[in-house]
Amino acid sequence: DIQMTQSPSTLSASVGDRVTITCRASQSISSWLAWYQQKPGKAPKVLIYKASSLESGVPSRFSGSGSGTEFTLTISSLQPDDFATYHCQQYQSYWTFGQGTKVETK
Amino acid sequence: EVQLVESGGGLVQPGGSLRLSCAASGFTFNTYSMNWVRQAPGKGLEWVSYISSTSSTIYYADSVKGRFTISRDNAKSSLYLHMNSLRAEDTAVYYCTRECCGDSSRSYYFDYWGQGTLVTVSS
Repeated sequence: DIQMTQSPSTLSASVGDRVTITCRASQSISSWLAWYQQKPGKAPKVLIYKASSLESGVPSRFSGSGSGTEFTLTISSLQPDDFATYHCQQYQSYWTFGQGTKVETK
Repeated sequence: EVQLVESGGGLVQPGGSLRLSCAASGFTFNTYSMNWVRQAPGKGLEWVSYISSTSSTIYYADSVKGRFTISRDNAKSSLYLHMNSLRAEDTAVYYCTRECCGDSSRSYYFDYWGQGTLVTVSS
């Protein structure tokens, strides 16, 4: 089974900050990685797929990079609507999620 | 507009059974693979089960194998999850998800999610 590890678990930031979240896979997953945003009481929403492709309708301040075993999600300038929990997901072999990263107000 | 609406959650005793349903609309249901994903209170997301567009291929997470059964009725645009021998650790919000792209040659990410239905296993 492929394990996914996100860091940090919690991130404190302010509006306008550049934010980076890391996701590591226990083995190579090529670029088969997605990022989701989840707000309290709501379903996750896909932001990025295939490691760096922006889902339609997602603001361009979100970007993804990486391949193999190490990936990052970057928010170039954090907006009030971006305070949420972010999950990575591998879909190289079945589907596994990271444990999530909560972005909270500093 | 794509919509996925889950139902069937509730409180059940350990060892009990429950059937979740997901009503799909706004897309050609019989051309997409579907999945169930769950989230225990305060925890991360866990993939539960997969079913291909024609029901020819089915997968389960080890944590539910032998206890849960996924199925679909393409004529009714509906997805189901039959859950037996429920345990406290099955307590979670269960999400119905559409797998992107309508291509069954490999696995893809989940592009649409329902709002979820809460299953609580407790005596």
